[in-house]
Amino acid sequence: AQSVSQHNHHVILSEAASLELGCNYSYGGTVNLFWYVQYPGQHLQLLLKYFSGDPLVKGIKGFEAEFIKSKFSFNLRKPSVQWSDTAEYFCAVQNQAGTALIFGKGTTLSVSS
Amino acid sequence: SAVISQKPSRDICQRGTSLTIQCQVDSQVTMMFWYRQQPGQSLTLIATANQGSEATYESGFVIDKFPISRPNLTFSTLTVSNMSPEDSSIYLCSQTRGGNEQFFGPGTRLTVL
Repeated sequence: AQSVSQHNHHVILSEAASLELGCNYSYGGTVNLFWYVQYPGQHLQLLLKYFSGDPLVKGIKGFEAEFIKSKFSFNLRKPSVQWSDTAEYFCAVQNQAGTALIFGKGTTLSVSS
Repeated sequence: SAVISQKPSRDICQRGTSLTIQCQVDSQVTMMFWYRQQPGQSLTLIATANQGSEATYESGFVIDKFPISRPNLTFSTLTVSNMSPEDSSIYLCSQTRGGNEQFFGPGTRLTVL
């Protein structure tokens, strides 16, 4: 069965620090990859997505992610975090167009000002 | 983007009762999805709701406990039956747009006493 692993359960950073959240998936075929963010008290929002093409994708709010097929990874990065980035981050995989997503367990990011 | 609404936004229910959650989307879609997010956990797919056919349930979820209706292409309901405190979760519906991108509703926060 497919699975998604997010290595960091809770990350604590100071403002302006760089961020990298790991995500690995287990599926041998073609996949679509997503990062979602859930700010406190709010619903899920799409940060960025990868379907095909350039493996480095840019999303909203300065986030980017790199798809490395050989490593089955899709790590999320941001060069300089802000206090407002404090949220829960979920990596998700979709193995067929239009189908449901398989989510990782999520990473809680806490940014101190 | 998509506009997805859910009712109720939250509820507190007694053990043994049932709650029906409604999900309305702003355009016609073939597939809608229902997820559960237990406290401190990631999202888990409950079922896929196709219009005109029976819902497809994931392992660990059964129709008797989570009956789903899909009367038309813009509406679906999920019922949580014979509730217990373990059913306390956020329940989310979602839809796919543009082939692959999935949008989520705001969720229904259910507390079972």
